[in-house]
Amino acid sequence: GENVEQHPSTLSVQEGDSAVIKCTYSDSASNYFPWYKQELGKRPQLIIDIRSNVGEKKDQRIAVTLNKTAKHFSLHITETQPEDSAVYFCAAVAYDYKLSFGAGTTVTVRA
Amino acid sequence: NAGVTQTPKFQVLKTGQSMTLQCAQDMNHNSMYWYRQDPGMGLRLIYYSASEGTTDKGEVPNGYNVSRLNKREFSLRLESAAPSQTSVYFCASSEAGSDQETQYFGPGTRLLVL
Repeated sequence: GENVEQHPSTLSVQEGDSAVIKCTYSDSASNYFPWYKQELGKRPQLIIDIRSNVGEKKDQRIAVTLNKTAKHFSLHITETQPEDSAVYFCAAVAYDYKLSFGAGTTVTVRA
Repeated sequence: NAGVTQTPKFQVLKTGQSMTLQCAQDMNHNSMYWYRQDPGMGLRLIYYSASEGTTDKGEVPNGYNVSRLNKREFSLRLESAAPSQTSVYFCASSEAGSDQETQYFGPGTRLLVL
């Protein structure tokens, strides 16, 4: 099955700086890569996703890049704000539509 | 639309007790999923139902059973709860098929097994 590794496990950034979270996956058949944000005590919510036929996708301050050859994808948050503090999960989906999640990154934005 | 709903929100069980976690979605999705979330381990798939009438094991199915009651509802049962099943349980749903893989999560059920 798919194995997704996520780094770092914790990330502390100064407000206004950028944050980068990296994930690798094992199954070359994976073709869909969503990112979820989970605030304390809340449900995971999709913030951005990318498909295997696209190399980069951007939505305001959030961007995701995908390198299919190296089997890794990254989340970039620019101009971080206090409300960006949360746990972020990457995931990968192969042909069976099952999500395999990374272990999560706790992002803390310091004011 | 309520999206994905779960009951109960919180439950305390004694070892050996049984219970059923309920999940319902009003988005007319074909696929439904049960995950557990433990600190430092992300979300792990317990069982899923690709469509009404089908269920399949995920990564960590031992100690659990599921029922896809109809298209809307997907329940998770613990027949004999163990302390190792203390966790937060999330139900999710999605449409099936390429370009429709986005999963939407319920609010979660916090389970404590003593």
